[in-house]
Amino acid sequence: DGGITQSPKYLFRKEGQNVTLSCEQNLNHDAMYWYRQDPGQGLRLIYYSQIVNDFQKGDIAEGYSVSREKKESFPLTVTSAQKNPTAFYLCASTTREGFSGNTIYFGEGSWLTVV
Amino acid sequence: SQKIEQNSEALNIQEGKTATLTCNYTNYSPAYLQWYRQDPGRGPVFLLLIRENEKEKRKERLKVTFDTTLKQSLFHITASQPADSATYLCALPNSGGYQKVTFGIGTKLQVIP
Repeated sequence: DGGITQSPKYLFRKEGQNVTLSCEQNLNHDAMYWYRQDPGQGLRLIYYSQIVNDFQKGDIAEGYSVSREKKESFPLTVTSAQKNPTAFYLCASTTREGFSGNTIYFGEGSWLTVV
Repeated sequence: SQKIEQNSEALNIQEGKTATLTCNYTNYSPAYLQWYRQDPGRGPVFLLLIRENEKEKRKERLKVTFDTTLKQSLFHITASQPADSATYLCALPNSGGYQKVTFGIGTKLQVIP
């Protein structure tokens, strides 16, 4: 089945550590996104990529980094510079042709907790 | 930048009744608006899209309206069922380009048997 796979589902990070969240899609979508979701807040955009080897900062990019070496993959690294990383992280994708109104497909999310 | 307002308080309704959720936005006129459903601990799932030139859109028991004058969308679930209990998010493309989409915080719907 086509879809977006995020891993791991649950991740614990120690203070000062970098961690990487994996996101793979087999929908042949050009555009991929990372959102962060906190209780009482909407989805906030961290980074997005419209094409391989290109990506842009979203609204809350500080303390995060991404890469887009393959069309199918868009991993997110939460660095030690991110002071409040505990959250639910969602990866998403959509087609690039005529962005207007394209459905956004989401993965099942990854829970990151700082211990 | 645009602002999206959804009633952050939970909406509790009796099974069989019609649930109505509201999404208000400010600052610009989007070409379309989307509604998503999110279950606890899961990613959102697309439900409906309505364009600025459409007044109403239906899909099975779901109905969405889009009033560009009021800058408001209403999302209705008729004959609601306990399985409809979830958080419903509205989403708009960012002004100045459609590469980014902004989501509201969502309204949690609880359908009581």
